[in-house]
Amino acid sequence: SQQGEEDPQALSIQEGENATMNCSYKTSINNLQWYRQNSGRGLVHLILIRSNEREKHSGRLRVTLDTSKKSSSLLITASRAADTASYFCATSTYSGGGADGLTFGKGTHLIIQP
Amino acid sequence: GAVVSQHPSRVICKSGTSVKIECRSLDFQATTMFWYRQFPKQSLMLMATSNEGSKATYEQGVEKDKFLINHASLTLSTLTVTSAHPEDSSFYICSASDTVYEQYFGPGTRLTVT
Repeated sequence: SQQGEEDPQALSIQEGENATMNCSYKTSINNLQWYRQNSGRGLVHLILIRSNEREKHSGRLRVTLDTSKKSSSLLITASRAADTASYFCATSTYSGGGADGLTFGKGTHLIIQP
Repeated sequence: GAVVSQHPSRVICKSGTSVKIECRSLDFQATTMFWYRQFPKQSLMLMATSNEGSKATYEQGVEKDKFLINHASLTLSTLTVTSAHPEDSSFYICSASDTVYEQYFGPGTRLTVT
């Protein structure tokens, strides 16, 4: 079932600016993941954050998780034109993230203006 | 490593015919495979979970007799859309997992039913 809600649904910024996307969910989770999808393509895994973690970094990506508010944010710093894509959060109630089907949010479509 | 392929990438079929989509893990053995469906400009919805050698588990609202899933080996799962209708036109994405920690997505198959 769909439980994630991302906002904004669409975001357009200038190259070099930072982009922040938010995700909210409804049920208890064990981990939350962020994925990128270029138009009409498959998913690229960006980062996984476990329920006992509050913040995680990977390159230009910073993810936060607030389990009390059931929300997460994805920050992309120093955006590039190649970052143009749709970004989805996905939650899993399993302790891992692989053996359980994921529940995806509705996604944020990010456009980076050159 | 951890590459998942899907075949075909695009398929157009006539209403009433059946279509088979293959999902292969190319360089690892997938104990579990998942099938998702994505309608245009929407998020991914989990359809079913399949484990090698056992019957697939379908999500609520997904007709198991219409979407036949076979996971005959640790590297291959197939999804057959039987008696396809225009409303079945969608982007179908599989994912595969070899552990509980990671899930690898295929590039997707775009199905158009005319």
